[in-house]
Amino acid sequence: EVQLVESGGGLVQPGGSQGLSCAASGFIFSNYAMGWVRQAPGKGLEWVSSIGDSGSNTHYADSVKGRFTISRDNSKNTLYLQMHDLRAEDTAVYYCARQVSGMYSWFDPWGQGTLVTVSS
Amino acid sequence: DIVMTQSPDSLAVSLGERATINCKSSQTVSYSSNIKNYLAWYQQKPGQPPKVLIYWASTRESGVPDRFSGSGSGTDFTLTISSLQAEDVAVYYCQQYYSSVTFGGGTKVEIK
Repeated sequence: EVQLVESGGGLVQPGGSQGLSCAASGFIFSNYAMGWVRQAPGKGLEWVSSIGDSGSNTHYADSVKGRFTISRDNSKNTLYLQMHDLRAEDTAVYYCARQVSGMYSWFDPWGQGTLVTVSS
Repeated sequence: DIVMTQSPDSLAVSLGERATINCKSSQTVSYSSNIKNYLAWYQQKPGQPPKVLIYWASTRESGVPDRFSGSGSGTDFTLTISSLQAEDVAVYYCQQYYSSVTFGGGTKVEIK
């Protein structure tokens, strides 16, 4: 069974940093691009970042460019998102998801998400 | 960036009736070279992550009931639920993957 499990969410102060992880299982992780999508409370979906299967290609939404870094460790089947200079508007559930057909494709499946709250 | 606009924001449909959700992109999400439409549809139930229903605008994901269908090309797309069931109450999102990735704002489907 394909499974994605996020961790690392929590309460962080404005201007602070937080790192998220996503442990993948049930598929050949190194064969797929992966992405992060977030959802602010009561709001819609916002794509955050994607990374190619080897990790050499990355792409970011303008809203997080320069503050967030996506990476992966294919030997550990794990995706990461390092977030810096966090703002109140970064408060959201962060989902990791497999991208089925390259960095620009649909997402399937999704993890259950981890909540990041940016507040003093 | 390509902006995806969904309509309506919400709709209430009687059980067994048809539900139609529209998604319009600010520019084409179709390549004429391969005649593919780079658009997906998702269903998100309360407290759950999204689940893909349709990709390439009209290809149904394995296991998705055939009452769900996608259509359209270029900039205008539609998700149709032919006979609404109680378990279809959810928010539905479109997503383009033609140029980077962007999502529509979502359409909430309820029972009338």
